[in-house]
Amino acid sequence: DAKTTQPPSMDCAEGRAANLPCNHSTISGNEYVYWYRQIHSQGPQYIIHGLKNNETNEMASLIITEDRKSSTLILPHATLRDTAVYYCIVRAMNYGGSQGNLIFGKGTKLSVKP
Amino acid sequence: DGGITQSPKYLFRKEGQNVTLSCEQNLNHDAMYWYRQDPGQGLRLIYYSQIVNDFQKGDIAEGYSVSREKKESFPLTVTSAQKNPTAFYLCASSFSPPKDNEQFFGPGTRLTVL
Repeated sequence: DAKTTQPPSMDCAEGRAANLPCNHSTISGNEYVYWYRQIHSQGPQYIIHGLKNNETNEMASLIITEDRKSSTLILPHATLRDTAVYYCIVRAMNYGGSQGNLIFGKGTKLSVKP
Repeated sequence: DGGITQSPKYLFRKEGQNVTLSCEQNLNHDAMYWYRQDPGQGLRLIYYSQIVNDFQKGDIAEGYSVSREKKESFPLTVTSAQKNPTAFYLCASSFSPPKDNEQFFGPGTRLTVL
């Protein structure tokens, strides 16, 4: 079972920031937060990951709360091409065997509207 | 161009027939994965392989088989024992731990069993 909780859907106006929340209240100290997205009928695409510090790359920013029980993925200027299902995943580091496998929940369907 | 390819994009088979889905990567990745996705659901891990000639069962391996004879290739066979094989199948690859932060996904094969 996925160890994260996300809203099933969200809307965002084109050009505005999209803020996607994720709850991971049972996260362990050795687990990272990962975000992937899946555009309709395509394979998922990695976006970003982090442990406890905020992270930013060319696609998005990841804000993790100080207690690490929740995080927010921020797309600063959403475009129509950002319409996708966004998956928040927690995953162990320094793992062995299957502990490092990605477990995908149902994600949040983000619809960017003109 | 480097990438991961799956063929065919759409596949139709009669019930009771085995079918093999192809997955090839030229990213020099050690690890490869097979996932299944049903409509409106997240991805579920079928099998994964972290090195040539070795593979492990994922969460839903029953009715499936794999081989890893070459680093570049990880074919998945959907056998007649799989009770509900109609689904979207996704292959992915990554570097080995600890450099496996990002899994790269192929475009997927949509299998329909009639």
